[in-house]
Amino acid sequence: GAGVSQTPSNKVTEKGKYVELRCDPISGHTALYWYRQSLGQGPEFLIYFQGTGAADDSGLPNDRFFAVRPEGSVSTLKIQRTERGDSAVYLCASSKGLAADTQYFGPGTRLTVL
Amino acid sequence: AQTVTQSQPEMSVQEAETVTLSCTYDTSENNYYLFWYKQPPSRQMILVIRQEAYKQQNATENRFSVNFQKAAKSFSLKISDSQLGDTAMYFCAFMKTQGGSEKLVFGKGTKLTVNP
Repeated sequence: GAGVSQTPSNKVTEKGKYVELRCDPISGHTALYWYRQSLGQGPEFLIYFQGTGAADDSGLPNDRFFAVRPEGSVSTLKIQRTERGDSAVYLCASSKGLAADTQYFGPGTRLTVL
Repeated sequence: AQTVTQSQPEMSVQEAETVTLSCTYDTSENNYYLFWYKQPPSRQMILVIRQEAYKQQNATENRFSVNFQKAAKSFSLKISDSQLGDTAMYFCAFMKTQGGSEKLVFGKGTKLTVNP
């Protein structure tokens, strides 16, 4: 595809449920990033993959959040036992993986936890 | 830890005029990168311009230019000949070049409205 894609675009779930958010990076991009953007705020870093491995997961808020990228392409962000405070737009970005390379963002998934 | 501050929550400008968005940051790093991203209502973040800290020359991209003052830790964005399509949220972001992580640290953003 031409750009980063994310599915679903919107997700509504109930408190306590499990959700998965998917990111398809630009073809050939080895680096992938997840950010979370709460209402009225700038994006906050969650996790960064270089290939299949998480190079930096220091932004994951707690152990309910987990992300994988098993084949070094598509990534899934998994949230267990969702809480109302998890409601936000989850943004994914990818880059070629070179130092300080430009990150290209997807349109995000808006997660609403009722 | 690095922080990025955008002190103008909202700005407005008339079409064809010039507007400047402010950004300051705090870091102990000497080498780093700074970015301005645009986020229209579609939510997709789009890179507007980037600046390497070791370069003294201010970056320019068509109607967009920056005023980078390293000593003052200031990185403002100037938009010339504003167009209606420039209406969006603008985020300033910082990335350090060492330490293995390529994460961006964002400010809270400035909502820019271009009026006809």
